[in-house]
Amino acid sequence: AQSVAQPEDQVNVAEGNPLTVKCTYSVSGNPYLFWYVQYPNRGLQFLLKYITGDNLVKGSYGFEAEFNKSQTSFHLKKPAALVSDSALYFCAVRDAARGGYQKVTFGTGTKLQVIP
Amino acid sequence: DAGVTQSPTHLIKTRGQQVTLRCSPKSGHDTVSWYQQALGQGPQFIFQYYEEEERQRGNFPDRFSGHQFPNYSSELNVNALLLGDSALYLCASSRWGITGELFFGEGSRLTVL
Repeated sequence: AQSVAQPEDQVNVAEGNPLTVKCTYSVSGNPYLFWYVQYPNRGLQFLLKYITGDNLVKGSYGFEAEFNKSQTSFHLKKPAALVSDSALYFCAVRDAARGGYQKVTFGTGTKLQVIP
Repeated sequence: DAGVTQSPTHLIKTRGQQVTLRCSPKSGHDTVSWYQQALGQGPQFIFQYYEEEERQRGNFPDRFSGHQFPNYSSELNVNALLLGDSALYLCASSRWGITGELFFGEGSRLTVL
C-alpha cells in the first residue's frame, strides 16, 4: 500500500519569507512524487514532479522540492512567498513499479496562508 | 488545446437517487481516473479506466460504477445516493504507460440532501 503524510494542516508565512510545506511518503517500490495546488472550488493544478535523477526538482511559479530517499520526504519550498501563493497544497505518490496502473495517492493537504 | 472537461459543474440530488457525471480527457490522453474529494480532505481514488475497462479500483462500494467510451471520455455513476456521497468529484486524464502527472478537470460538486 502507498500513503502520504502532510503533518501540517496549515502553514503561515510572511510575504517575502521562504516557505516549506512538508511531505513524507510510503511506497513499496521506487516512488513517483508530485505536488499539486488547489484554489477554492477548483480542480488540482500540477506544480512539479520527481520521477528520477536530480533530487532537487524545480517547478511552476518558482516552487521547488527536494527528494530525500533516506527520510522518505519530498518537501515543497519557495525562496520568497507571495500572497498569491495562498492556497491548498497536496503531495501525492504513486508506485513506479506499477507501470501503466496510475493510482495516485494524495495527502490530506496543507493550507498555505501568506500574510502581507 | 482543450484540457479536461467535466459536467455538470454543480448538482443537487436527494438520498436514494442516482447520478451520472461526465468527463472528457485532455486531447491525446487515453486514460481516465476518478477521484472523490470530501470537504477538507484530499482526493480519494475511485477507479481508473483504460481501453474501456476498469483497470484499478479504490476502496469504494459497488454503488460506484463507471464507463469509458471509444473516444476515451468517461462517466461515473453513483446509485442509491447517501448523504456521505456529497463531495467534489474530480476527473483526471493521462496517457497509459507514460510516466507523468495527472491533468485534472474543475470537478463536479455533488450535494446530496
